[in-house]
Amino acid sequence: NAGVTQTPKFRVLKTGQSMTLLCAQDMNHEYMYWYRQDPGMGLRLIHYSVGEGTTAKGEVPDGYNVSRLKKQNFLLGLESAAPSQTSVYFCASRETGRSNQPQHFGDGTRLSIL
Amino acid sequence: AQKVTQAQTEISVVEKEDVTLDCVYETRDTTYYLFWYKQPPSGELVFLIRRNSFDEQNEISGRYSWNFQKSTSSFNFTITASQVVDSAVYFCALSEITNAGKSTFGDGTTLTVKP
Repeated sequence: NAGVTQTPKFRVLKTGQSMTLLCAQDMNHEYMYWYRQDPGMGLRLIHYSVGEGTTAKGEVPDGYNVSRLKKQNFLLGLESAAPSQTSVYFCASRETGRSNQPQHFGDGTRLSIL
Repeated sequence: AQKVTQAQTEISVVEKEDVTLDCVYETRDTTYYLFWYKQPPSGELVFLIRRNSFDEQNEISGRYSWNFQKSTSSFNFTITASQVVDSAVYFCALSEITNAGKSTFGDGTTLTVKP
């Protein structure tokens, strides 16, 4: 009963380093999302995907890139990490784009940029 | 543009008290969906309830109840006889039909239930 799995759970980077966060879902969901959660704030959408091979920008896309080469995986990349990207990152999936469906979330990745 | 406001940043109650979490939203659409999610200290977000804009019936599920009032654009969440395990951050979210399924989240309300 995995649902949405995020890898890694924790990571510390130095400014300028790059890394990729992996999100994998086993529910055959079409839509996938990457959010960031900062203290005292709700979830802000970084990028999303409406299906394999597609990506689109969300509310705060700058400094991030994404790829959806396989339906079950949605990768979030930081090419040159900055301290402002210190946050908790959540991946979510939804069966389709229908607005009445809830999103299923991973456990989050806590990322610190020094 | 859609907006969700959770005016209460933090709420602290003593166990067995009732507590209401407020959620006010803005949208231009006539058809939309509202959600509540719970984020316990362990960090994952858990879906609690969904309500569509045409269904103003209040809903009760055990100790949880939800009051949706379209006239005031509010979707409030009440926990009756609160328990320590209810301590969490609660998020209200809005999804519009026309917005490719994207959701707008409020900033969350941190509920602390003390024994």
